[in-house]
Amino acid sequence: ILNVEQSPQSLHVQEGDSTNFTCSFPSSNFYALHWYRWETAKSPEALFVMTLNGDEKKKGRISATLNTKEGYSYLYIKGSQPEDSATYLCALRSNDYKLSFGAGTTVTVRA
Amino acid sequence: GAVVSQHPSWVICKSGTSVKIECRSLDFQATTMFWYRQFPKQSLMLMATSNEGSKATYEQGVEKDKFLINHASLTLSTLTVTSAHPEDSSFYICSASPASGGRSSYEQYFGPGTRLTVT
Repeated sequence: ILNVEQSPQSLHVQEGDSTNFTCSFPSSNFYALHWYRWETAKSPEALFVMTLNGDEKKKGRISATLNTKEGYSYLYIKGSQPEDSATYLCALRSNDYKLSFGAGTTVTVRA
Repeated sequence: GAVVSQHPSWVICKSGTSVKIECRSLDFQATTMFWYRQFPKQSLMLMATSNEGSKATYEQGVEKDKFLINHASLTLSTLTVTSAHPEDSSFYICSASPASGGRSSYEQYFGPGTRLTVT
């Protein structure tokens, strides 16, 4: 199991504002990075799977970038809405398909 | 699509009893299922990897005799916490990876989790 860190642990953002947060991971033996969105009492929902250095992925107002050389990924939320309130998890996938998760960043969007 | 269910969603049991948690892939076949545990304010920690028709592989520090895993079909895996104690109280969540040829086999689709409280 690999050490994956997410920061900040939580953040509050005003509706309409944009925000971003970080996932850091060991840069050696990189296979893939997963981002999940997890709402309370629901299943974690897959957002992105990123594999290549410099990857940028977008889904609606949410996007992510990947730097495998320095071992970090950013997730961006543009024009935050109350429905974006959730915990965002990143997970590093190793060559045996196992996922090592960060502790998550909990986003609360205030109306 | 890619729906995984878990049952029960929460359970309270007495110390010394056993509890079974089911994980089902509803609209796809899963050759591999994973079981995770999450303690408060911590990350999801992989407990074991379960392949259909074979013995589960446990992560270091996870007692295989305490956490019995059965993956008898391509849509069902069960986790049984045997002789549960208060320190086993946690949030247990499963995920399933599709069999090849369908959805991407590297993706894991998660259930909603089970909150276990042992009194």
